[in-house]
Amino acid sequence: DAGVIQSPRHEVTEMGQEVTLRCKPISGHNSLFWYRQTMMRGLELLIYFNNNVPIDDSGMPEDRFSAKMPNASFSTLKIQPSEPRDSAVYFCATSSTEANYGYTFGSGTRLTVV
Amino acid sequence: GQSLEQPSEVTAVEGAIVQINCTYQTSGFYGLSWYQQHDGGAPTFLSYNALDGLEETGRFSSFLSRSDSYGYLLLQELQMKDSASYFCAVADSNYQLIWGAGTKLIIKP
Repeated sequence: DAGVIQSPRHEVTEMGQEVTLRCKPISGHNSLFWYRQTMMRGLELLIYFNNNVPIDDSGMPEDRFSAKMPNASFSTLKIQPSEPRDSAVYFCATSSTEANYGYTFGSGTRLTVV
Repeated sequence: GQSLEQPSEVTAVEGAIVQINCTYQTSGFYGLSWYQQHDGGAPTFLSYNALDGLEETGRFSSFLSRSDSYGYLLLQELQMKDSASYFCAVADSNYQLIWGAGTKLIIKP
């Protein structure tokens, strides 16, 4: 099992550009979470999917952020337009109903917006 | 509101035992999880307590008291590689985790 796969690992972009982060969950995991981590704010849940359906997107900071999960094997988080304050590490985590709240995190994408 | 309290930093000596406490106040509670995160890495799952008592996994143990809204992570025979941040997280009724701010564990030789 390759675990949760995120790409890219690092992204440096200019303010105003569109950024797309990608996540491939573990096969069989039916829950997928997008988190953002910064020193100031810690781990923040952005959005949560269950069986490919968005359940809770109350953590998405503003309309510039959007997320999709078109199938059980793939999810994207898009920021358009990006701003310097979006600089953070973005994690994708997945879990199964039987996992006793044991999330498996991807390696994260370190986003820097200049 | 919902909140989890854990110390921001704990220092211990290699080979010793350290306890990281977590108190919580949440509207729903299904269990308490612990995660470890090394600098530059991703959080990794350590343990989950749904019932009161102590769960042991090797050098790590986790305890829960639901009546006291309190839990702790106990690390024994500390090794330098245990230097990391440790997060407690409460599982709520929406199958989501509410996270503490994390405890940075510093281990000295």
